[in-house]
This record gives sequence, structure tokens and C-alpha cells, in this order.
Amino acid sequence: GAVVSQHPSRVICKSGTSVKIECRSLDFQATTMFWYRQFPKQSLMLMATSNEGSKATYEQGVEKDKFLINHASLTLSTLTVTSAHPEDSSFYICSARSGDYHTSTDTQYFGPGTRLTVL
Amino acid sequence: RKEVEQDPGPFNVPEGATVAFNCTYSNSASQSFFWYRQDCRKEPKLLMSVYSSGNEDGRFTAQLNRASQYISLLIRDSKLSDSATYLCVVNVKCSNAGNNRKLIWGLGTSLAVNP
Repeated sequence: GAVVSQHPSRVICKSGTSVKIECRSLDFQATTMFWYRQFPKQSLMLMATSNEGSKATYEQGVEKDKFLINHASLTLSTLTVTSAHPEDSSFYICSARSGDYHTSTDTQYFGPGTRLTVL
Repeated sequence: RKEVEQDPGPFNVPEGATVAFNCTYSNSASQSFFWYRQDCRKEPKLLMSVYSSGNEDGRFTAQLNRASQYISLLIRDSKLSDSATYLCVVNVKCSNAGNNRKLIWGLGTSLAVNP
């Protein structure tokens, strides 16, 4: 099946620093990538939808200036958490969509996630 | 009301038991449906898609009732390795213009299979 990688898998940083997370589709071209966040014992929450070559669409309540998303190529999207604070500590997961963009049966493939801890 | 609702459990069952998970969704325009499995501190993995006619994959059977907006997952002859959180997921069309769709996730139902 399709493979999606994420880097880094784990990061610990000081409050106020910025952290960049990369998401790559390794064996397919992903016109759309999704960024999720999951807090302990909670469901995945979609943060933003990223289409290659255009601005990301953010979900309500997600600050676009704090969570910068760049989808410069069909195989790479990045999420930068700017000026991270302890409340940003979470499990960040990306996914890439394979298949016909206009069908409802396409599949999302998930990266292994990045565990961010802000001290 | 949550868009996708599941009983959080936990379900504790002995090996070999049959266990059923239920899920309801609120958006009648939902287009496709899935069950994912998530192990502790890992990303979710697709278990199976759910079709109106019902579908089976080995010990796993999924059912969809569009009229009742209800989805189920049945696991027969449960194994220790089935212990995980099972997530009900619905694919809906975004409210903005265009053909964008997004997945809405349930909170998940925790299953522990005991020896």
C-alpha cells in the first residue's frame, strides 16, 4: 500500500521556539494532504487541508498564523508550529489522499505521527 | 450533538468472544464510511470501508444503515492482538465551495481482549 512518512517522529522543545514537521508521500503523488492533531484520550481533530500549490484551508478555531502549512510539491507538505507553547504539546498526524480527487471512495494514508512536547 | 458518536468503552472481553461496536453519525449527506484501528501512541490504520450492502473481511463484519445513520463493526473469535481503539470515521463534503471532503472521526471505542 501507499506509504507516508513523517519527520521527526518525536520532538521536545522549549516554549517560544518554532517546530517544523515534514510529511512525505513516498510512492504516490498526493494532491491533498491533511494535518490532524490528537490530544490524549481524544479523537483526531482535523486542523487543515492542504492542496498542492494553493493556500491551506484551516478548520474553525485553528490559527493559520500559528500553524503554518506549506504544500510546495505533490509529495511534501510541512507544518510549522510557530512560537510553541506547552498547550501545543500533542500528537500531530498527517495524511495524504490517494485516488481520484472527485470520488468519495478515495483513501487517506496516514503518516506515523509526530509527538511534540513543549516544555 | 457530536457529528460521529461512539460508545467509548472500554470493552473487556475474553479471547474467542464476539464483540460489536456501534456508531451513529449526524450528517445525512455523509458519503463514505470507515472503521480504523489505532494502537496506543500510533497512527490510525484503515481496518475496512463500510458499504450499504454490508461487508465482511475474515473475522470482521461491517454494516451500514443509512436510514438510521448507524454503522456497526462485529469482531468474531477475538484475539489478543485485536486489543486497540476502534474509530468510526465518516467522509463528508466540506461546507466551503468545491469538491473538498474531509474525514470526521469518532472518539473511538477501546477494546481489551484478555487471555
